Amino acid sequence: QSALTQPASVSGSPGQSITISCTGTSSDVGGYNYVSWYQQHPGKAPKLMIYDVSNRPSGVSNRFSGSKSDNTASLTISGLQAEDEGDYYCISYTSSSTWVFGGGTKLTVL
Amino acid sequence: QLQLQESGPGLVKPSETLSLTCTVSGGSISASGYYWGWIRQPPGKGLEWIGNIYYSGSTYYNPSLRSRVTISLDTSKNQLSLKLSSVTAADTAVYYCARRRANSSGLDYWGQGTLVTVSS
Repeated sequence: QSALTQPASVSGSPGQSITISCTGTSSDVGGYNYVSWYQQHPGKAPKLMIYDVSNRPSGVSNRFSGSKSDNTASLTISGLQAEDEGDYYCISYTSSSTWVFGGGTKLTVL
Repeated sequence: QLQLQESGPGLVKPSETLSLTCTVSGGSISASGYYWGWIRQPPGKGLEWIGNIYYSGSTYYNPSLRSRVTISLDTSKNQLSLKLSSVTAADTAVYYCARRRANSSGLDYWGQGTLVTVSS
């Protein structure tokens, strides 16, 4: 299985909005509403930010939102804050009953 | 509050078997409706899904690792285990255990991770 495609890096200024894409195929992202997003800070375990495409766990800021169109899922962060800087990963269920991560995106808050 | 803690040797020799344990506290590993899994991250690289096991014992593995991986549950100790055979330097990574609720994509609880280095 091939890794989902994410941009290597994105950046934005405080207060702005950014979107990170996660592109797969009809056998993973496009075929199921089982996509989740994780934030990871250096030396820390990943933290769940969005599950099942667009659901936010309790305690996660409503500045984080998720969506999906065809074979591409997206994570949008509005009102960027310095603490949002870090790495972001998507993961999707696949038709083989396995899971595949995206390559990760480094978010820089300018 | 559910907590997961990985443990095991930090150094493994090439061709040997990597063995890790994830101890779960604050909840039962045999509770219905949950998957328990392993994810790894080579230094400076991205996350890779290794596999998971349902509370009933059904296992699912990354096709690229399937021939070398075994994931199991020890309900008496409330532990999840990972065995990866015939390791090489490419298996050097931080290994995480995590929980996912069935019929959901979210890995909602993670261990802190443990670094395993493959070197002679």
